[in-house]
Amino acid sequence: DAGVIQSPRHEVTEMGQEVTLRCKPISGHNSLFWYRQTMMRGLELLIYFNNNVPIDDSGMPEDRFSAKMPNASFSTLKIQPSEPRDSAVYFCASSLAFGYSGNTIYFGEGSWLTVV
Amino acid sequence: QQPVQSPQAVILREGEDAVINCSSSKALYSVHWYRQKHGEAPVFLMILLKGGEQKGHEKISASFNEKKQQSSLYLTASQLSYSGTYFCGTAYNAGNMLTFGGGTRLMVKP
Repeated sequence: DAGVIQSPRHEVTEMGQEVTLRCKPISGHNSLFWYRQTMMRGLELLIYFNNNVPIDDSGMPEDRFSAKMPNASFSTLKIQPSEPRDSAVYFCASSLAFGYSGNTIYFGEGSWLTVV
Repeated sequence: QQPVQSPQAVILREGEDAVINCSSSKALYSVHWYRQKHGEAPVFLMILLKGGEQKGHEKISASFNEKKQQSSLYLTASQLSYSGTYFCGTAYNAGNMLTFGGGTRLMVKP
């Protein structure tokens, strides 16, 4: 089975540009998570969707960040405008009914973002 | 609240054992352990649920002490492939999201 698929794998962009990261969760999973990983802050949860509905976006840093999940097989994380401090690895993860019956989350390979 | 992992880093010789701890200030429902190699995604190792038993996975096992609000990961007879950063993720109830600790960097040398 295919795992969580993210694109692009690497992105280098200039400050002020719009960045869109994409994610396809594992087929059948109904929970989707966006995490950000940096050396300073570790793995931070940005937003969590359940059945395509945003449940908790308290981790989204500021209004420059937005996330959507238009259907069960696709999600985007958008940064507009991007800033150098947004440079990080952004992971998408998915789960089947996370938290119940011992289900866990499975990570994609990550999108490495560098804003110069 | 973010769980606290200890130690932050450990260096082992091949064949040695290690213990990584994950502590929470709140009562835990579940603890999830992951290993991440440099430049790769975190890979799930095992999950421990409140009231559950100690779990094992090859030579890697873990325990969950609900009273102490702590989980420990045991690496026995370490192999070079065990090198990486180990993260614990904690959830405080069944519908809670995972909050990850700061990670423990493990290096196994020949």
